Amino acid sequence: GQQVMQIPQYQHVQEGEDFTTYCNSSTTLSNIQWYKQRPGGHPVFLIQLVKSGEVKKQKRLTFQFGEAKKNSSLHITATQTTDVGTYFCAGRGASGGSYIPTFGRGTSLIVHP
Amino acid sequence: DGGITQSPKYLFRKEGQNVTLSCEQNLNHDAMYWYRQDPGQGLRLIYYSQIVNDFQKGDIAEGYSVSREKKESFPLTVTSAQKNPTAFYLCASSMRGGQPQHFGDGTRLSIL
Repeated sequence: GQQVMQIPQYQHVQEGEDFTTYCNSSTTLSNIQWYKQRPGGHPVFLIQLVKSGEVKKQKRLTFQFGEAKKNSSLHITATQTTDVGTYFCAGRGASGGSYIPTFGRGTSLIVHP
Repeated sequence: DGGITQSPKYLFRKEGQNVTLSCEQNLNHDAMYWYRQDPGQGLRLIYYSQIVNDFQKGDIAEGYSVSREKKESFPLTVTSAQKNPTAFYLCASSMRGGQPQHFGDGTRLSIL
């Protein structure tokens, strides 16, 4: 079945440093979604990318979808303590199979003040 | 306020006992999902449903059962066949299958 790999599993940064998490799929994706889960909370939808090479920004967050639609990244500029949490990507396969997105294992971001 | 309500927040199960987790949504969404979350494992799909009276197995359906008799409700039963049920269970819904999901606050299930 479709696999979505996400790295790194954990990332410690000092407040103000940048952070990037990467998501890679074994197959071509029709779209990719990103979610954030705060400690003790539930995942919250951030954004969906659909087009090859697409780049979207939300304030300090930049989301990219690869040209081949097999990978994606989330970059946070100048992290703040409010960015703490686990970031998940969820990719939906492009050809056949289930239309339900497969979640990566997530990257947990720890920001040290 | 529209949203997804999961209950209870915490649940304890005795060995050999079935327990049912509740999930209700008032978002008028067609699709609903159940996930299991273990530390470091991300979200693993248990069951999903696109429409009333229809549901499909996800990646880890063994030991679980669901029903979808109403659009608003998608209860999950953790049966005694599930040998390692201790986990955080999340219910989600989306307007249609595959679209961005809204999650409930989750239920933490533990074994006594």
